[in-house]
Amino acid sequence: LAKTTQPISMDSYEGQEVNITCSHNNIATNDYITWYQQFPSQGPRFIIQGYKTKVTNEVASLFIPADRKSSTLSLPRVSLSDTAVYYCLVGDGTGRRALTFGSGTRLQVQP
Amino acid sequence: DAGVIQSPRHEVTEMGQEVTLRCKPISGHDYLFWYRQTMMRGLELLIYFNNNVPIDDSGMPEDRFSAKMPNASFSTLKIQPSEPRDSAVYFCASSLATGWVTEAFFGQGTRLTVV
Repeated sequence: LAKTTQPISMDSYEGQEVNITCSHNNIATNDYITWYQQFPSQGPRFIIQGYKTKVTNEVASLFIPADRKSSTLSLPRVSLSDTAVYYCLVGDGTGRRALTFGSGTRLQVQP
Repeated sequence: DAGVIQSPRHEVTEMGQEVTLRCKPISGHDYLFWYRQTMMRGLELLIYFNNNVPIDDSGMPEDRFSAKMPNASFSTLKIQPSEPRDSAVYFCASSLATGWVTEAFFGQGTRLTVV
């Protein structure tokens, strides 16, 4: 599985847009990119997944450049409830389907 | 569906005792994962099953840890004997393999304290 690198922590204020970038330089052709969110005392929760270009859902957007060596999770107008740890995962959809989590990015949203 | 159900939610046990954690995956899901989370080591994948068969147990820390999945609706993670360093939150997750999408659904976790 491709190794990922994310910032350890980020701070933001309510109403701002937050962009968390993940580096995955050795991403393979068959790999896709998935982001999870984890609140304290809860299990991780799937946010969004993509392969290339841009993906958007009701929670976030995922931007993936053409070389796919990085990706950016964008959270529009964050609120206090978005305070959580965000994980970027890279892996293929066939063969070894294990979900390997890195250290994640701890996002703190302040009023 | 009620989601992935884990029991117990909290477990306190004495060193040397056997501990059994339980998981009921989402009906119809064919993958089941066991994770352990600590402040020091983060989220570690211990083992995962596909169609009740263990596929990769390379994350199981020692022979004291064992996991079984006797049927599609139940799995256990057993620690025997338990040690204080096993104290952690243990998560179970399940997913439905559908092409590129691998969205795993996690349970609420079992907080294990070994004293």
